[in-house]
Amino acid sequence: AQSVTQPDIHITVSEGASLELRCNYSYGATPYLFWYVQSPGQGLQLLLKYFSGDTLVQGIKGFEAEFKRSQSSFNLRKPSVHWSDAAEYFCAVGGSGGYQKVTFGTGTKLQVIP
Amino acid sequence: GAVVSQHPSRVICKSGTSVKIECRSLDFQATTMFWYRQFPKQSLMLMATSNEGSKATYEQGVEKDKFLINHASLTLSTLTVTSAHPEDSSFYICSPYGRGETQYFGPGTRLLVL
Repeated sequence: AQSVTQPDIHITVSEGASLELRCNYSYGATPYLFWYVQSPGQGLQLLLKYFSGDTLVQGIKGFEAEFKRSQSSFNLRKPSVHWSDAAEYFCAVGGSGGYQKVTFGTGTKLQVIP
Repeated sequence: GAVVSQHPSRVICKSGTSVKIECRSLDFQATTMFWYRQFPKQSLMLMATSNEGSKATYEQGVEKDKFLINHASLTLSTLTVTSAHPEDSSFYICSPYGRGETQYFGPGTRLLVL
């Protein structure tokens, strides 16, 4: 069974500082990996996804993530955090084929301080 | 990106009543629809998967007679919470999937059962 672990429940960073959110996955084959952001009271927005190819994936809002098969990780990074980045971030893993049944991690809540 | 709408965005109902949530994929055909729910401060949990014109498949622990899913067309799916109780209060999110690689998510419906 596929699973996702986000070890950090809550992270606080200063505005302008760099950010890395950790994500480890378990999947029997080549995974489809996603990062989503959810602002308070809002739905999910896709930040980026990895299906194949270059293991460093660029997303929206200046985010990037690196797929490391050897570590079963897909950490999300941003070089300089903005106050508007405060939200909850979900890592997710899905399978290939006709069904995109996605399993979500428990989320990491990001707080940005001035 | 694809546009997905959910209606209503928020609903408050009395215990014992039924609530219907609509999910529409506005610019693509959703051959598969995933329904998730998210309890406060928790991650999204898959409730059920439905293919257009077929009966839904429910995840373990989700009562099929309580959460009725209809996926009669490629652009519309409904989730009906029957005889709702306070413990059904949650954030319900639909996720249509069609041919292609990206899974989209609706903005969610917040249900409060009094």
